[in-house]
Amino acid sequence: KAGVTQTPRYLIKTRGQQVTLSCSPISGHRSVSWYQQTPGQGLQFLFEYFSETQRNKGNFPGRFSGRQFSNSRSEMNVSTLELGDSALYLCASSRDGGGMSETQYFGPGTRLLVL
Amino acid sequence: GENVEQHPSTLSVQEGDSAVIKCTYSDSASNYFPWYKQELGKGPQLIIDIRSNVGEKKDQRIAVTLNKTAKHFSLHITETQPEDSAVYFCAARRNNDMRFGAGTRLTVKP
Repeated sequence: KAGVTQTPRYLIKTRGQQVTLSCSPISGHRSVSWYQQTPGQGLQFLFEYFSETQRNKGNFPGRFSGRQFSNSRSEMNVSTLELGDSALYLCASSRDGGGMSETQYFGPGTRLLVL
Repeated sequence: GENVEQHPSTLSVQEGDSAVIKCTYSDSASNYFPWYKQELGKGPQLIIDIRSNVGEKKDQRIAVTLNKTAKHFSLHITETQPEDSAVYFCAARRNNDMRFGAGTRLTVKP
């Protein structure tokens, strides 16, 4: 079974631009979560989508948004990029996301560099 | 919300020795505690997890223990090998909210 895939793997943008990252979960998984990973802040939860609805949200500004499609694929968008948005953006999928037996599987991440 | 603290931040051991990483959590309602290993340039990979109704779980050289009363859980790696070198993250989840520790950089010296 294929794992979680993320595209693109690397991205360079300039301040003020916007970016869209894509995540394809493991087949059969309906929950997709997004995380930002930086050396200073570690792994921080952005948001989680389940059945095309945002079910949970972390403490990030409104410039960070996401969506999920009917096939469970998810995208996240960052508008008006700032230097501090440079990070590894990780996507994780699970079957449901909330049950006791749920395990999250991570993709390889998209490394975003904002210049 | 949940707060997860992880110690130590760096750990260096000799090949063949054991390594122990400890985490504490604040939300007593957290019920799922996974451990992830992240190698350079890759996403975190689940290595073992434990649920709140279990006190200990073992998988070959890796074991995790959970003390719900004290709200702490630990990762134990025995007979360490150079390929165990990586950053390890603990996490605690309540419902759909998963919070991660800051990570431990483990170096296994041959």
